[in-house]
Amino acid sequence: KAGVTQTPRYLIKTRGQQVTLSCSPISGHRSVSWYQQTPGQGLQFLFEYFSETQRNKGNFPGRFSGRQFSNSRSEMNVSTLELGDSALYLCASSLEGTGNTIYFGEGSWLTVV
Amino acid sequence: AQSVTQLGSHVSVSEGALVLLRCNYSSSVPPYLFWYVQYPNQGLQLLLKYTSAATLVKGINGFEAEFKKSETSFHLTKPSAHMSDAAEYFCAVSEGRTGNQFYFGTGTSLTVIP
Repeated sequence: KAGVTQTPRYLIKTRGQQVTLSCSPISGHRSVSWYQQTPGQGLQFLFEYFSETQRNKGNFPGRFSGRQFSNSRSEMNVSTLELGDSALYLCASSLEGTGNTIYFGEGSWLTVV
Repeated sequence: AQSVTQLGSHVSVSEGALVLLRCNYSSSVPPYLFWYVQYPNQGLQLLLKYTSAATLVKGINGFEAEFKKSETSFHLTKPSAHMSDAAEYFCAVSEGRTGNQFYFGTGTSLTVIP
């Protein structure tokens, strides 16, 4: 069974630009969540999507947005990039229900210059 | 809101020695607790998970963790460290309500000394 797939793995953007990251969940998983990982802040929850609807949202500015498609694939977008947005962005998928394990992809490394 | 505290951002042990990584949580509801491991330049991999079935949980690679409600702890242990155990370890608690929002500790970097 294929794992969570994230693309691109590495990217460099300039301040002010926008970026879109993609995530394909494990087959059969309908919940997709996104996390930002930085050395200073650790792992922080961005948002979770289920059945194309945002179900939970973390404390990030509106520049961070996401969506989920009918095939459960998800994208997240960051507009007007800032230097502080440089991070590893991790996508995780899980089955429906509470207490389920989330399975992570290898992440997308974003560097903002 | 739930939170997780990992005591010790860096832990060093000798190869063959006991590994003990500490995790304390706060939760207003019965929690779902997890330990994940992250190797360099990779995502997080599940080590083990507590879901109230048993207080002692066994995971992969010889790791186990014990849930102690009275101490609100979920410490991770391994009897004998291997060089391959060197990695970053994260304790996490699940919201357990609607959806799958996880709260992670700040991580503990484990170094294994040969």
